[in-house]
Amino acid sequence: QKEVEQNSGPLSVPEGAIASLNCTYSDRGSQSFFWYRQYSGKSPELIMSIYSNGDKEDGRFTAQLNKASQYVSLLIRDSQPSDSATYLCAVLFMDSSYKLIFGSGTRLLVRP
Amino acid sequence: DVKVTQSSRYLVKRTGEKVFLECVQDMDHENMFWYRQDPGLGLRLIYFSYDVKMKEKGDIPEGYSVSREKKERFSLILESASTNQTSMYLCASSRADRGTHQPQHFGDGTRLSIL
Repeated sequence: QKEVEQNSGPLSVPEGAIASLNCTYSDRGSQSFFWYRQYSGKSPELIMSIYSNGDKEDGRFTAQLNKASQYVSLLIRDSQPSDSATYLCAVLFMDSSYKLIFGSGTRLLVRP
Repeated sequence: DVKVTQSSRYLVKRTGEKVFLECVQDMDHENMFWYRQDPGLGLRLIYFSYDVKMKEKGDIPEGYSVSREKKERFSLILESASTNQTSMYLCASSRADRGTHQPQHFGDGTRLSIL
């Protein structure tokens, strides 16, 4: 059973703080990992992709991947109220070709 | 920028009707997908397609069919709509590049209500 696990939250942080979102997955051989942001009533929007162990930074966002621990995280620095959304972790499993397995998402709330 | 366009943002239909949801992408992507999203259940894959006239069942294909006659267009069909098919439907597309595993890009979604 291919699984992607996220804490549903809500994760509440004050404006300006670092928000840390976590995701674990079940298949050790997975190669591709994505973070999507989804505002209420809207569709998911790709914000980060990561393929290698370590950190990948893009503006205020940093994705971290640890394949040995089967763990991927998203850090949002200087969190803004506009970052309040649900963040979906998605994993491309080795035997699933182009299919992504999505976690159920973590709801982030940034308090002004 | 990738553009995935779904034909309707909101749709209301009656039980038993045949419902068509249309999706068009403008980036010449090989892969296209249909999902539904329900509160507490996350994104669930209904059907996907790797190429024109090719389709494969996802996790919840019952009650649905699909059509891909042209590369840019992927249609989802509810053969006989039922109230439990009330949901947000999301179309996505991606390039078929195994080397870099391209991400999926989503349309705006169709919120379908079956009365």
